[in-house]
Amino acid sequence: KNQVEQSPQSLIILEGKNCTLQCNYTVSPFSNLRWYKQDTGRGPVSLTIMTFSENTKSNGRYTATLDADTKQSSLHITASQLSDSASYICVVSARGGTSYGKLTFGQGTILTVHP
Amino acid sequence: DTAVSQTPKYLVTQMGNDKSIKCEQNLGHDTMYWYKQDSKKFLKIMFSYNNKELIINETVPNRFSPKSPDKAHLNLHINSLELGDSAVYFCASSQGGQGVYEQYFGPGTRLTVT
Repeated sequence: KNQVEQSPQSLIILEGKNCTLQCNYTVSPFSNLRWYKQDTGRGPVSLTIMTFSENTKSNGRYTATLDADTKQSSLHITASQLSDSASYICVVSARGGTSYGKLTFGQGTILTVHP
Repeated sequence: DTAVSQTPKYLVTQMGNDKSIKCEQNLGHDTMYWYKQDSKKFLKIMFSYNNKELIINETVPNRFSPKSPDKAHLNLHINSLELGDSAVYFCASSQGGQGVYEQYFGPGTRLTVT
């Protein structure tokens, strides 16, 4: 069964600090991994998408890493801002067949940034 | 301009009623989706349409029926609503459904069944 697990479930940090969120997956066959940011009451917004051959990708202060061998990914947030407070969701896409366009979502890590 | 829009944003209704949620995208995408986000915040795909053709139909009760009148619209009709249907429903769209593609999500419709 395809699964995506994230840790920690929630995290509180002070503004300006860095943090790292973790994602482990068992989705097979693997196509790509995404990190989404979901603000309260809004739809998810994509931060990064990585394929099998990519092991790091950045989007501003967000840097995602991927280890396809161990099926792990991380999202590192640098110099956090209050606006980073949101749920961060790891999403893995399977390749081919009946998995057409099908994404498996993690439960998300709720990040709270305090001033 | 809103890329993916949904109406209504909030929907409160009683058990047994029938309701519809509408979704429209102005991105020119050919694939649209419906997701359900439960109280534990898990997002799970319900349906996927490509060029108005049903591609993915997960294990969803027959009470849920998607309809795609054209590539820019994907509506969700729910019959005989139950308490367990209470959730946030998200519409999304993408250009293509295979490989590396970007999915754009709507703002969500919070459905509350009383």
